[in-house]
Amino acid sequence: GAVVSQHPSRVICKSGTSVKIECRSLDFQATTMFWYRQFPKQSLMLMATSNEGSKATYEQGVEKDKFLINHASLTLSTLTVTSAHPEDSSFYICSASRPGYRETQYFGPGTRLLVL
Amino acid sequence: QKEVEQDPGPLSVPEGAIVSLNCTYSNSAFQYFMWYRQYSRKGPELLMYTYSSGNKEDGRFTAQVDKSSKYISLFIRDSQPSDSATYLCAMKLRSSGGYQKVTFGTGTKLQVIP
Repeated sequence: GAVVSQHPSRVICKSGTSVKIECRSLDFQATTMFWYRQFPKQSLMLMATSNEGSKATYEQGVEKDKFLINHASLTLSTLTVTSAHPEDSSFYICSASRPGYRETQYFGPGTRLLVL
Repeated sequence: QKEVEQDPGPLSVPEGAIVSLNCTYSNSAFQYFMWYRQYSRKGPELLMYTYSSGNKEDGRFTAQVDKSSKYISLFIRDSQPSDSATYLCAMKLRSSGGYQKVTFGTGTKLQVIP
């Protein structure tokens, strides 16, 4: 199967610091990677879509300067939450699609961010 | 009105029961339908994927799509305690070359009681 990993699994930081979350496709090259945010008892909300080597496409209402996405290779995408504030506390999940399987996404285990 | 409506539950059933999970949607252009299972504090896992009306079976799971009613269902037979999780429906438009955004339901929390 297609495996996607995320690191770290949880992070606690002080307000004002920046946090980087890594998303890796372990056994396939991902044509596209996605970043979601999930609040308790709410649906997955797509934040941005990224393709390797190009700028990410952000959803309406998502600040691109706040949530920096870098898709440096076909197996790695990073999300950096800059100058994090308590309202950024959430569950961040990445997913990846693989060539020939564009219709399905494989999700990582998620990263729980708590900003104090 | 949300594009995808899903009852958040929780839904509690005894072990061995047949579970029925449902979603309705408003956009008739949705063509691809998926069900994901999400355990607590984990990422979603794809369970079923279908793009046509009718039934698709995989083991104890059956996905049903009724495009005329804009209604999809997931049935779980012989439910087990290990099926306890949140089940999210998801759907997307037909691809025209590029990637199409997936729209998720809020998820239904299922608890199977031994």
